[in-house]
Amino acid sequence: DVKVTQSSRYLVKRTGEKVFLECVQDMDHENMFWYRQDPGLGLRLIYFSYDVKMKEKGDIPEGYSVSREKKERFSLILESASTNQTSMYLCASSAIRTANNYGYTFGSGTRLTVV
Amino acid sequence: AQSVTQPDIHITVSEGASLELRCNYSYGATPYLFWYVQSPGQGLQLLLKYFSGDTLVQGIKGFEAEFKRSQSSFNLRKPSVHWSDAAEYFCAVHGGATNKLIFGTGTLLAVQP
Repeated sequence: DVKVTQSSRYLVKRTGEKVFLECVQDMDHENMFWYRQDPGLGLRLIYFSYDVKMKEKGDIPEGYSVSREKKERFSLILESASTNQTSMYLCASSAIRTANNYGYTFGSGTRLTVV
Repeated sequence: AQSVTQPDIHITVSEGASLELRCNYSYGATPYLFWYVQSPGQGLQLLLKYFSGDTLVQGIKGFEAEFKRSQSSFNLRKPSVHWSDAAEYFCAVHGGATNKLIFGTGTLLAVQP
């Protein structure tokens, strides 16, 4: 079964810490995405990547960066965590040629709390 | 610009009753449309999708959706709701050129016994 795996289900970090959220997919997908999900706001795109070492800003990139050194891994980095980054973070992937038809595959999410 | 509107933030239905969740989209060309479900504390699971052909599409868990171009709608339906259907439901549109999914804000479904 195809999978997108997020390394942590729950994280608690302190304000100002550097935080890494890891996502790995085993489907050889070109596209990978990071969303954050907040009540009443739905899913908002933070960053995405179409290829190794490639990244593009989504709708809310401020306070975040990403890294994609290998095709299967896409990391979200909070350079200096703040309380307003407390949220559910969802990683997703898709194949370039079939994204239209088949949508994305999502990980189970990481619930991050910044205290 | 592409957008998706889910006008109902929260819906409560009785177990066994029928369900319809509304979704309206804005997109210039023929859209690729999706419904996802999210159980509490979980990621999103694809329920069904539409990209061409028959405008009534069947999905998993007994769900179906109908694409109506004239109304720019893609409403999700189920004839008889089960308690396990309580979850949050997201409608999404895929814009080919941007290669991104645009999500609605979700509808939270509660099921009464």
